[in-house]
Amino acid sequence: GAGVSQSPSNKVTEKGKDVELRCDPISGHTALYWYRQRLGQGLEFLIYFQGNSAPDKSGLPSDRFSAERTGESVSTLTIQRTQQEDSAVYLCASSPLRPGLAGGGDELFFGEGSRLTVL
Amino acid sequence: DQQVKQNSPSLSVQEGRISILNCDYTNSMFDYFLWYKKYPAEGPTFLISISSIKDKNEDGRFTVFLNKSAKHLSLHIVPSQPGDSAVYFCAASDGVTDKLIFGTGTRLQVFP
Repeated sequence: GAGVSQSPSNKVTEKGKDVELRCDPISGHTALYWYRQRLGQGLEFLIYFQGNSAPDKSGLPSDRFSAERTGESVSTLTIQRTQQEDSAVYLCASSPLRPGLAGGGDELFFGEGSRLTVL
Repeated sequence: DQQVKQNSPSLSVQEGRISILNCDYTNSMFDYFLWYKKYPAEGPTFLISISSIKDKNEDGRFTVFLNKSAKHLSLHIVPSQPGDSAVYFCAASDGVTDKLIFGTGTRLQVFP
């Protein structure tokens, strides 16, 4: 497809279960981001991948959260032993360039998000 | 530590009038700023950006102003249209970490 694809679009799980969220970025985009938006909150940075560089994991809220990306392709965000406070919309975005580089077209392209509900 | 702040959670404007959305930041290393618009159940979409070497960037009905000394930027929409009703996020990045830091968003409602 032409845009960023995320799956599943909705996930309901029980507290304590593990979940895996998937993101297919736009082909050729070197940068990939994960954000989350909890109810009534803004966009919270989680993790950033840029090419083959080591990912910036500074936004991951706990060691229950991890993410992987193989090359410049698919990324998976894994949440282990889910808690109710993990309920949020998890948004993935990709970009062809690093933000701030000249050119003007280096904005992020977001997917529609994966809504996670932990009961 | 909220490095990008949008202090107005909501704004209501009459159609045809100007909408002004504000954003403040604390990190002086930020050198690139963007605005995104988000409709319910959709991902945010890019609207307009500005580099720190400029103080204004205009695109149609949308203009972003940057005041570096005040660490403040604003988005002006004129004339406002009902289709502009959405949540608007400002975001900032520096040339070191590359990650975009978003504000908490302002919900704009444009009424007829």
